Amino acid sequence: LAKTTQPISMDSYEGQEVNITCSHNNIATNDYITWYQQFPSQGPRFIIQGYKTKVTNEVASLFIPADRKSSTLSLPRVSLSDTAVYYCLVVSNTGKLIFGQGTTLQVKP
Amino acid sequence: NAGVTQTPKFQVLKTGQSMTLQCAQDMNHEYMSWYRQDPGMGLRLIHYSVGAGITDQGEVPNGYNVSRSTTEDFPLRLLSAAPSQTSVYFCASSPQGGLSYNEQFFGPGTRLTVL
Repeated sequence: LAKTTQPISMDSYEGQEVNITCSHNNIATNDYITWYQQFPSQGPRFIIQGYKTKVTNEVASLFIPADRKSSTLSLPRVSLSDTAVYYCLVVSNTGKLIFGQGTTLQVKP
Repeated sequence: NAGVTQTPKFQVLKTGQSMTLQCAQDMNHEYMSWYRQDPGMGLRLIHYSVGAGITDQGEVPNGYNVSRSTTEDFPLRLLSAAPSQTSVYFCASSPQGGLSYNEQFFGPGTRLTVL
């Protein structure tokens, strides 16, 4: 399964757009890119998933370039409640999720 | 729908004791799995099941057993607890098939301490 690399931590301020980039150089043709969010003392929550180009839902956008070796999760106008750990996963539709350390996002007032 | 429920929320064991962590879901999901999360780390897959009567090992299965007699329940058994099994345990479920596997619903977790 492809390994992902993402920043350990990021800081932002309320109202800003936050972009978290993930690299996955060994992604396979059948793999998808999936992002999860985890608040302290809670289980992870699915945010968004994509294969290529751009995907947008009510929570976030996911940008994937043509070579698919990286992806960027974009959170528009963050609030304090977006403070969490964000995990980038490369998944192969088998159900086996491999989580790295994730990116701890701290949103400040 | 209650989603994915886990009991107990907290548990303290002594080394060598056995116990069962309970997980249930009311979404009629075929796929269920167990993960453990150590402090400051990502989740690691212990065991998973693609349907009733079918289970398989994940990344870190040693010291744990599972069974899946019904679609709703997927208990995790610790046979002889060790301090290395101190962790937070999460159960997850998803509908079976394709992209659905990637959107898993997680329970609130069980925080286990082994002394």
